[in-house]
Amino acid sequence: QAVVTQEASLTVSPGGTVTLTCGSSTGVVTSGHYPYWFQQRPGQAPRTVIYDTNYKRSWTPARFSGSLLGGKAALTLSGAQPEDEAEYYCLLYYGFVRVFGGGTKLTVL
Amino acid sequence: EVQLVESGGGLVQTGRSLRLSCTASGFAFGDFPMSWVRQAPGKGLEWVGFIGSKGYGGTTEYAASVKGRFSISRDDSNNIAYLQMNSLKIEDTAVYYCTGEWERNWGQGTLVTVSS
Repeated sequence: QAVVTQEASLTVSPGGTVTLTCGSSTGVVTSGHYPYWFQQRPGQAPRTVIYDTNYKRSWTPARFSGSLLGGKAALTLSGAQPEDEAEYYCLLYYGFVRVFGGGTKLTVL
Repeated sequence: EVQLVESGGGLVQTGRSLRLSCTASGFAFGDFPMSWVRQAPGKGLEWVGFIGSKGYGGTTEYAASVKGRFSISRDDSNNIAYLQMNSLKIEDTAVYYCTGEWERNWGQGTLVTVSS
């Protein structure tokens, strides 16, 4: 089974910009992996921030964007807010099988 | 508004079975695959399995960790997806979430605790 890798932790200053990445042990991440990004705050269920590489849900703030960058999927947060502090998980499709990354703990400090 | 409500969690002994339900509303349930995801205490998200829509033959696929023990089914008449869990192990203890419209929508989860 493929392994999906994410940074364990990142820190961003309020108002700053940070990019989280999502890599695959099988090689380059493409749109065919339909990359997803989920936000999970402590004690809450995950919610989808980005799907299919760069599509936003209705509740996704404009400061979040998804892309493919350097062979990986990427989630960029521009203008970080305190409420963005959370765990972020990526998900990749391998045909019918899905694999989550280990998560990135994002601190806004 | 899309809603996904999981139910059926609880405390169960090792080796026993449990069936979780996910009741959906607010979208064309029969047109979309449904997935189950779990999260062990203090750990990350783990994909458990998926069932395709009837239009895709209701194909199922499972994570290696549960293949042969867990099965997913769906009742499109009542907008319910099921996760049948057999031969439960301690390491199956987790909050179980269902997702709908591919993985765009999530329920609030139901806790399954497996004890010896």
